[in-house]
This record gives sequence, C-alpha cells and structure tokens, in this order.
Amino acid sequence: AQSVTQPDIHITVSEGASLELRCNYSYGATPYLFWYVQSPGQGLQLLLKYFSGDTLVQGIKGFEAEFKRSQSSFNLRKPSVHWSDAAEYFCAVGAPDDYKLSFGAGTTVTVRA
Amino acid sequence: GAVVSQHPSWVICKSGTSVKIECRSLDFQATTMFWYRQFPKQSLMLMATSNEGSKATYEQGVEKDKFLINHASLTLSTLTVTSAHPEDSSFYICSAKDRESGANVLTFGAGSRLTVL
Repeated sequence: AQSVTQPDIHITVSEGASLELRCNYSYGATPYLFWYVQSPGQGLQLLLKYFSGDTLVQGIKGFEAEFKRSQSSFNLRKPSVHWSDAAEYFCAVGAPDDYKLSFGAGTTVTVRA
Repeated sequence: GAVVSQHPSWVICKSGTSVKIECRSLDFQATTMFWYRQFPKQSLMLMATSNEGSKATYEQGVEKDKFLINHASLTLSTLTVTSAHPEDSSFYICSAKDRESGANVLTFGAGSRLTVL
C-alpha cells in the first residue's frame, strides 16, 4: 500500500526566506508524486508533479521539488517566500495509471513579516 | 484550464435531514470523479470513486448507504449525505479527471463545508 509522511506539522518562515517542506513516501515502485496547496476553506491547487525523467521538477508560484529515490523523498522548496504562500501544503502519492491518491497529513506554513 | 465547481460551498442542516452536494466539471468531461472528506487540520480521506454510468466504488469503512454517490453524466457527480448527524459535519472535496487527458492529473473543487446541527 502507498503512503505519505509529512514530518513537519507546522513551519513558520520569514517573508523572503527560503522554505523547504519534507515529504517521504512508501511505494513499491516508482510512484507518481504531487504537491498541492490549499488556502483556508478552499480546494486543492496543484503546485507540481513528478512522473518520470528529470528528478528536479519546477512548478507554479516559484516552487520546485526534487525526487530522491534513495531517500524515498520528494521535498518541496521555494527560494524566497511571499506572504501569499501562507497555506496548507499536501504531498500526495499515486500509482501510475491509478488516479486514487494518498495524501500526507499536510504542513501548515505561516509567513511572518 | 480545467475547472471543477462544487455547490453549495457551505451548507447548514438539521440532524436527520439529507444534503446533496454537486460536483461539476465545467469545461471538460470527467468519466471518473473522486470524493474526499477532510476534518479540520487533517488530510484528505478518499471516500469513494464515482464512475459515470456505473456504481461508485467506496473505500473501506465508508458507509455507502450513508453517502450516496451518483454520476449520471460526464460532467456531474453528486454526493448525498443521508440522515445527516453532527458527526457528518466536515469539509467535502471532489476531484475529477479529464477523460481526454492522458496524465494522472486531477482537478479539485473548492470544497463544500457541511455543518449538521
């Protein structure tokens, strides 16, 4: 069975500082990996995804993530956060050709001025 | 881009009544839609997979008689919470897959918050 662990429940970062959110997955083969962002009371917006190929993927809003098979990780990064990046971030894993995703518990990001 | 609309976005109902939540794909056809439940400060829990023209597939532990799912067209799936009780209060989110898209990308609705008094 596939699963996702997001070790950090809450991260506070200063505006302009860098951000890294951790994600570890459990899956028997090469998974499909996703990062979603959720603003309060809203649905999920896809930030980026990894299916295959280059292990460093670029997403929207200046986010990137790196797939490391040896560490079963797919950490999300942003070099310089903006106040609008304050939200809940979810890492998700899915099997190829299977649209059922398993989500991590989420990481809440707070941005201080 | 692909857009999924949910309605209502917020609903309050009395205990014992039934509530219907709609999930529509606005600019694409979705043969498959998914319904999730999210408790405060928690992750999304997949409830069921809704397939156009056939019965929904429910995840283990989800009462199919409690959460009725209908996917009557390629653009609409509905979730009906029957005989709702306060413990059914939650944030319900749907997602849809564009049947023309070959990629494993889902589009999520904005969610529907149900409060049962």
